[in-house]
Amino acid sequence: AQSVTQLGSHVSVSEGALVLLRCNYSSSVPPYLFWYVQYPNQGLQLLLKYTTGATLVKGINGFEAEFKKSETSFHLTKPSAHMSDAAEYFCAVRLTGTASKLTFGTGTRLQVTL
Amino acid sequence: GAVVSQHPSWVICKSGTSVKIECRSLDFQATTMFWYRQFPKKSLMLMATSNEGSKATYEQGVEKDKFLINHASLTLSTLTVTSAHPEDSSFYICSARGDRKETQYFGPGTRLLVL
Repeated sequence: AQSVTQLGSHVSVSEGALVLLRCNYSSSVPPYLFWYVQYPNQGLQLLLKYTTGATLVKGINGFEAEFKKSETSFHLTKPSAHMSDAAEYFCAVRLTGTASKLTFGTGTRLQVTL
Repeated sequence: GAVVSQHPSWVICKSGTSVKIECRSLDFQATTMFWYRQFPKKSLMLMATSNEGSKATYEQGVEKDKFLINHASLTLSTLTVTSAHPEDSSFYICSARGDRKETQYFGPGTRLLVL
């Protein structure tokens, strides 16, 4: 079974500052890893994903994440926060079998202040 | 990315009535669809998984007779909340996975309010 831990249910950064949202996973086999963003009253939008290959993954809106197997982490970063980045961010893990299901973290709410 | 739509986006109904929510994959064939429920300020709770043409697989604790799921085609799945009660009020989100299989795409969600 797999699990996801997101450290920090609420993160606040200033506009222009670095964004770092933490995600650690537990999986018995190499997993697929995802970051989704949810704006208020909306569904989830895929930000980026890691399946195989390059461990540094670039996504939309300037976000990127690095898969670190030794640390079982997949932290999400953005060099410079923008007000429009304020949202809920979910890290998710799925095993590679086709019948496997996504397991979500509890989410991190990102607040961006002026 | 792939697009998943849901209809309606908002629904208000009286207690005891049934509500149907549609989920469509607009530009890909969804071999597997998922239904989630999200409580305020909480993560997503998987309710059930459905594969086209077969019965849905429900998660533990989810009443299959209350939450009827149909996945009749590769682009459409429906969730029917039968005999809705106020405690069924929630945000319901569908998700679809196509033949590439590694990525799930999510619909915009349906907010259900049962009075």
